[in-house]
This record gives sequence, C-alpha cells and structure tokens, in this order.
Amino acid sequence: AQSVAQPEDQVNVAEGNPLTVKCTYSVSGNPYLFWYVQYPNRGLQFLLKYITGDNLVKGSYGFEAEFNKSQTSFHLKKPSALVSDSALYFCAVRPFSGAGSYQLTFGKGTKLSVIP
Amino acid sequence: DGGITQSPKYLFRKEGQNVTLSCEQNLNHDAMYWYRQDPGQGLRLIYYSQIVNDFQKGDIAEGYSVSREKKESFPLTVTSAQKNPTAFYLCASSLTPGTGAGELFFGEGSRLTVL
Repeated sequence: AQSVAQPEDQVNVAEGNPLTVKCTYSVSGNPYLFWYVQYPNRGLQFLLKYITGDNLVKGSYGFEAEFNKSQTSFHLKKPSALVSDSALYFCAVRPFSGAGSYQLTFGKGTKLSVIP
Repeated sequence: DGGITQSPKYLFRKEGQNVTLSCEQNLNHDAMYWYRQDPGQGLRLIYYSQIVNDFQKGDIAEGYSVSREKKESFPLTVTSAQKNPTAFYLCASSLTPGTGAGELFFGEGSRLTVL
C-alpha cells in the first residue's frame, strides 16, 4: 500500500524568505506525485505534478518541487514567500500502474504561515 | 466554465437521518471520487468510480453509499449507519489513470454537521 508523510504539521516563514514544505512517500514501482493547496473552507487546488523526467518540476504561483528517488522525497519549494501563500498544503502519491493506480493517497497536510 | 459542482455547501442533519450530497462534473472525466476530510487527518477515500455503473470502496466506505448512473454525476449518501458523519466532504474527478498522471480536480466541498 502507498503512503505519504508530511513531517511538519506547521511551517512558519517570513515574507520574502524561501520556503520548503517536506514530503516523503512510499509506493510500489514508479510514482506519480502531486502537490495541492487548500484555503479555508475550499476545495483543493492542483499546484504541480511529477510524472517522469526532470527532477525539478515547476508549477502554479511560482511553486516548484524537487523529486529525489533515492530519498523518496518530493519537497515543495518557493524562492520568495508571499503572505497570500498562507494555506494548507497536501502532498499525494499514486502508483504508475497496477493495483491502487486509481487511489491517490494524501498526506495529512502542512499548514504554511507566511509572516509579514 | 468546466469544473465540479458540489451541493449543498453546508448541511445539517439530525441523528438517524440519511443525507445525499450532490456532485456534478462537466470535465468529461471518466473517474470520480469522494473523500472525507477531518482536521489533522488529511483526506481519506470513501468511494471511487472508474466508469459509469461501476464503483469501488475506498478506505472508509462503511456507512456510505454511492451510485454512478451518469458520467457527469456521482452522488454520495451518508447513511444513519455512519457513526461520526460530521466532516468536510470533497468530490473529485480525473482522467483515467494511464491517459495522463490522473491528477484530481476538486469541487468546493460540502460541510455536513450532525446535530
């Protein structure tokens, strides 16, 4: 069975500083990896995905994520944080194929607070 | 605009009542999903459907039921057998995994409160 760990419940960062939200995963075979953002009482918005190829993936709103196969990690990054980035961030994984390929498994989420 | 519409956004239920949450999509996606979100627990899969007239249980299907009579619609019924139904419910859809990465597109959610 696949799983996702987001080791930090909350990340605080000053506006203008770089931010990192951590994610590690476990899955059989090759993974598809995703990051989503959620604002209060709203649905999840897709930020970016890793399929294959370049380990650095660029997404919406200036976010990017780095895939590291040896460390089974997919950390979300942004060079300069904005107050409007404050939200709940979810990492998700599903296997490339086979059993469970329809089941996207989510981490428990990391609350990002950007301090003015 | 293409997207996923969930209704109602807020719903109150008395204990012992069944309620049905609506989910409609116009993205022409074959796959649809229902997730439950509780504070600090992330999202947990209730049911998913790969195609019309077919659906499978997810991790926490007990006390819930679904139907998929049309491609566009995937309603979720929260039955009186669900012991702790107060939660935020999210519907999503995707292309069939294998035709792409299968990223999910979410509706805005329905918040169910049991009084």
